[in-house]
Amino acid sequence: GAGVSQTPSNKVTEKGKYVELRCDPISGHTALYWYRQSLGQGPEFLIYFQGTGAADDSGLPNDRFFAVRPEGSVSTLKIQRTERGDSAVYLCASSPGGRGSTDTQYFGPGTRLTVL
Amino acid sequence: KQEVTQIPAALSVPEGENLVLNCSFTDSAIYNLQWFRQDPGKGLTSLLLIQSSQREQTSGRLNASLDKSSGRSTLYIAASQPGDSATYLCAVIGYNFNKFYFGSGTKLNVKP
Repeated sequence: GAGVSQTPSNKVTEKGKYVELRCDPISGHTALYWYRQSLGQGPEFLIYFQGTGAADDSGLPNDRFFAVRPEGSVSTLKIQRTERGDSAVYLCASSPGGRGSTDTQYFGPGTRLTVL
Repeated sequence: KQEVTQIPAALSVPEGENLVLNCSFTDSAIYNLQWFRQDPGKGLTSLLLIQSSQREQTSGRLNASLDKSSGRSTLYIAASQPGDSATYLCAVIGYNFNKFYFGSGTKLNVKP
């Protein structure tokens, strides 16, 4: 079956531009997570969705970052006024359950964002 | 805030060696701990998940142990192979279930 997919795989943009990163979770998975991974570091949590709602957005670094999941499936991470420090790999993960679940998270291949 | 540390940061071994990767975490109130593998340009693949009530999990040549009270986990890889070359990440999830806290990983190179 299909795993978690992310598009684009690579995105190069200029400082100050707006970008959207897309995540298609595994069908039927209610929980969706976004992480950011800088070079040589482990992934850092950004936001967690349970269904359509953002259950925990405490990892979003500032108000330039926003994410939506309007129909409880596909999610889009939106970054406004990009800065060079936003350059990283953005990972999406999904899991079948949610709060209290023992399910593992299944990760997508990530989107490599480069801000020039 | 939970802090996860992995030692060593990098490891190079000849094929066939047994090896141990270490992970430590500062807050012992974890729900579970997972070990992941990450290949260059790829996402993360879950290797082993240990519930907080468990002491160890095994899958093939991999064995992960958990000592929650001391905040430590180890990943043991037996008879290493070149195909094991990758970055290994340790992650813990707390009772809020909302997020993983990851270590920075151990980059393993197994030489033929």
